[in-house]
Amino acid sequence: DGGITQSPKYLFRKEGQNVTLSCEQNLNHDAMYWYRQDPGQGLRLIYYSQIVNDFQKGDIAEGYSVSREKKESFPLTVTSAQKNPTAFYLCASKRRSTEAFFGQGTRLTVV
Amino acid sequence: GESVGLHLPTLSVQEGDNSIINCAYSNSASDYFIWYKQESGKGPQFIIDIRSNMDKRQGQRVTVLLNKTVKHLSLQIAATQPGDSAVYFCAVPNSGGGADGLTFGKGTHLIIQP
Repeated sequence: DGGITQSPKYLFRKEGQNVTLSCEQNLNHDAMYWYRQDPGQGLRLIYYSQIVNDFQKGDIAEGYSVSREKKESFPLTVTSAQKNPTAFYLCASKRRSTEAFFGQGTRLTVV
Repeated sequence: GESVGLHLPTLSVQEGDNSIINCAYSNSASDYFIWYKQESGKGPQFIIDIRSNMDKRQGQRVTVLLNKTVKHLSLQIAATQPGDSAVYFCAVPNSGGGADGLTFGKGTHLIIQP
């Protein structure tokens, strides 16, 4: 089945560690996105990529990094520079002028 | 930039009643609007969308109404069921086609009372 797969579902990070969240899609979508969701809040855009080997900062990019080496994959690294990384992270993809499709999310917790 | 707001963080309705969830947007040039449903611990799921050349669009038990004059849209759910219990978000593309992402409202938590 076509869709977006995020892994892992739960992730624990120690202080000062970098962690990478995986996002893979087989929908043949050009554009991919990372959003952050805090409790009781809407989604905020971290990074997005409209095409392979190109990506742009969203509203809250500080402390995060991404790569887009393949059309299907858009991994997000949460670096030690992100001071409050505990959140629910959502990956999405879309075709032009259509709705975005979301993965099931990764819940990151700092321990 | 675009901003999107919801009028009520929580809405409680009786099972079988109709629900109306409201949303306001700021950019009068916005031409595409989307409603998402998010169940606890899951990613948002597309419900219905509407383009600015329409005032109303109907799906299965859901209707979206768009009032461009006051920059307001609403999601109506008919005969709510326990499975409708979720957080509902409206979203607006950041630019033409939404290539640079969506702006989301904070969401309305719909609670279905038995």
